[in-house]
Amino acid sequence: DAKTTQPPSMDCAEGRAANLPCNHSTISGNEYVYWYRQIHSQGPQYIIHGLKNNETNEMASLIITEDRKSSTLILPHATLRDTAVYYCIVIGDYKLSFGAGTTVTVRA
Amino acid sequence: KAGVTQTPRYLIKTRGQQVTLSCSPISGHRSVSWYQQTPGQGLQFLFEYFSETQRNKGNFPGRFSGRQFSNSRSEMNVSTLELGDSALYLCASSLKIQDTDTQYFGPGTRLTVL
Repeated sequence: DAKTTQPPSMDCAEGRAANLPCNHSTISGNEYVYWYRQIHSQGPQYIIHGLKNNETNEMASLIITEDRKSSTLILPHATLRDTAVYYCIVIGDYKLSFGAGTTVTVRA
Repeated sequence: KAGVTQTPRYLIKTRGQQVTLSCSPISGHRSVSWYQQTPGQGLQFLFEYFSETQRNKGNFPGRFSGRQFSNSRSEMNVSTLELGDSALYLCASSLKIQDTDTQYFGPGTRLTVL
């Protein structure tokens, strides 16, 4: 799997949009970008994924650059319950591998 | 639709014992993957089962084994427990129409080896 780079931490104000960047400059053409989050000691929660096009679901939006070398996860209206570690991963086969992720703290 | 369930949620064992963890996938999902998560090593792939067959295996010793039943439920067994086996054990289920299909995780089993 290609490697990803994420900032170690970021803060966000409650009610504001949170924009989480991810670099995946070595991504291959058939690899997907996936985002998961993990709240302390719980199982990772799937958020969203994409291949080339931007995607949106009830939780978030995913913006993938045209060259696919980076992406941004957007939480449109962050709440305190969105405080978690967010993992950006690139998947081309059967197994997942998380890096250190971005610790997002949403403040009231 | 119910999510992935894992039992037990917490377990305390001593060195040398063995343990069996259980995972029930999302209804209709035929693939179950197991992962070990520790603060030092992060998320590590153990193995994947599909239609009762182990399809893929990670780099873990033979003390770690698993199986899958005809209803897609899966169990993972660790024998001769070591202190380093203390971890959060996660299972994830997927439709697995293709390898990159979304994997949905259960809440995990927190294993502590004393």
